[in-house]
Amino acid sequence: NAGVTQTPKFQVLKTGQSMTLQCAQDMNHEYMSWYRQDPGMGLRLIHYSVGAGITDQGEVPNGYNVSRSTTEDFPLRLLSAAPSQTSVYFCASNGQGSWNTEAFFGQGTRLTVV
Amino acid sequence: AQSVTQPDIHITVSEGASLELRCNYSYGATPYLFWYVQSPGQGLQLLLKYFSGDTLVQGIKGFEAEFKRSQSSFNLRKPSVHWSDAAEYFCAVGARVANFGNEKLTFGTGTRLTIIP
Repeated sequence: NAGVTQTPKFQVLKTGQSMTLQCAQDMNHEYMSWYRQDPGMGLRLIHYSVGAGITDQGEVPNGYNVSRSTTEDFPLRLLSAAPSQTSVYFCASNGQGSWNTEAFFGQGTRLTVV
Repeated sequence: AQSVTQPDIHITVSEGASLELRCNYSYGATPYLFWYVQSPGQGLQLLLKYFSGDTLVQGIKGFEAEFKRSQSSFNLRKPSVHWSDAAEYFCAVGARVANFGNEKLTFGTGTRLTIIP
């Protein structure tokens, strides 16, 4: 059971480039989310999804797009990378009725925009 | 909107000593509260959670936390720390997503724990 898998683990982008961070889970979880982690700021929610075809914005959505075509996958797209998007990105998933479940986190993607 | 404050950025404790990490939250309803731990280069792992009932909750690795509604606090404790407890600790509050049984987590800024021999 792989849990939550994020790829790539590391990425360097030039300003203006686009890329997609991949996130896949094999636990049949309905709820998935993306966070960014910056020093001194904890984790901040970027976007989340409560099921296939349903997404919504979190605290810091600007510059990021998401889609949820399947239960398993929740990719995060950077359309035009900026240095301010240099961060560590975490994907998480948990099941419906998560009062009795826990969020499982991926290992993170460290992104540097130069 | 909910918020979480972890007033201690960095704490250093001797191995074998007791530990208390502070967490204060702001939320208009009954909160769902969590403590997560992050080892260097790793994702987050759930230590414990509070939803209702007994205000003293037990977690993994010998950690416990006490929910105090009157103080809006959810402090994490461990009676005797081990060198392997060195990590970053995050408190989080969950806000129920309308019509869905899930919570959006709001995290504190974290407390880095250093253990000295």
